[in-house]
Amino acid sequence: DIQMTQSPSSLSASVGDRVTITCRASQNIYSYLNWYQQKPGTAPKLVMYIASSIQNGVPSTFSGSGSGTDFTLTISSLQPEDFATYYCQQTYTTPPTFGGGTKVEIK
Amino acid sequence: QVPLVQSGAEVKKPGASVTVSCKASEYIFTKFYIHWVRQGPGLGLEWLGVSNPSGGGTTYAEKFLGRITMTRDTSTSTVYMELGSLRFDDTAVYYCAKDFNSNFPSYGLDVWGQGTTVTVSS
Repeated sequence: DIQMTQSPSSLSASVGDRVTITCRASQNIYSYLNWYQQKPGTAPKLVMYIASSIQNGVPSTFSGSGSGTDFTLTISSLQPEDFATYYCQQTYTTPPTFGGGTKVEIK
Repeated sequence: QVPLVQSGAEVKKPGASVTVSCKASEYIFTKFYIHWVRQGPGLGLEWLGVSNPSGGGTTYAEKFLGRITMTRDTSTSTVYMELGSLRFDDTAVYYCAKDFNSNFPSYGLDVWGQGTTVTVSS
């Protein structure tokens, strides 16, 4: 199985800050990397797919980049509704695997 | 209309089986794969498997082979996930989720059910 490693596991930031989360795959997954946002007590929400395609309804402050084994999710100006846990997921091979998550907390 | 509606919470004893249902809109049921993902208390996301409701095909995570079964009822557009030989560490929220493009490789899971809490307790 492909291992997905996210960093950091948590971070504290303020409203308006630029935040970057990284995800590394244990082998080449080309661009088959997706990002999810999850708030407590709710299901995950797809925010970015195939590395850099933003899902409908997601603010343009979100962006994704990377290919191969290294990927990033960036929030250019953190908003109050962005505080959540973010997971990356590779879908290049079966089983699709998730990273361990990055919790974005209010500083 | 809510796209994916799951059944209610379950409490089971170790060794028992649990079945979670996921009722889809007819559009989703006939055109998209449905995945199952679980999340243990305070833990991350774990993929269990995927089913093609219209065709009936399934793929399961190797970890669950032998104790997981995904079935469907075409008359009600409902997908079922049965997990047997339950252990304490099967306690989790179980989600069904729609595949974005129902192709391989997938573009991810773009619609999720509300989740079903399964508690394994003696």
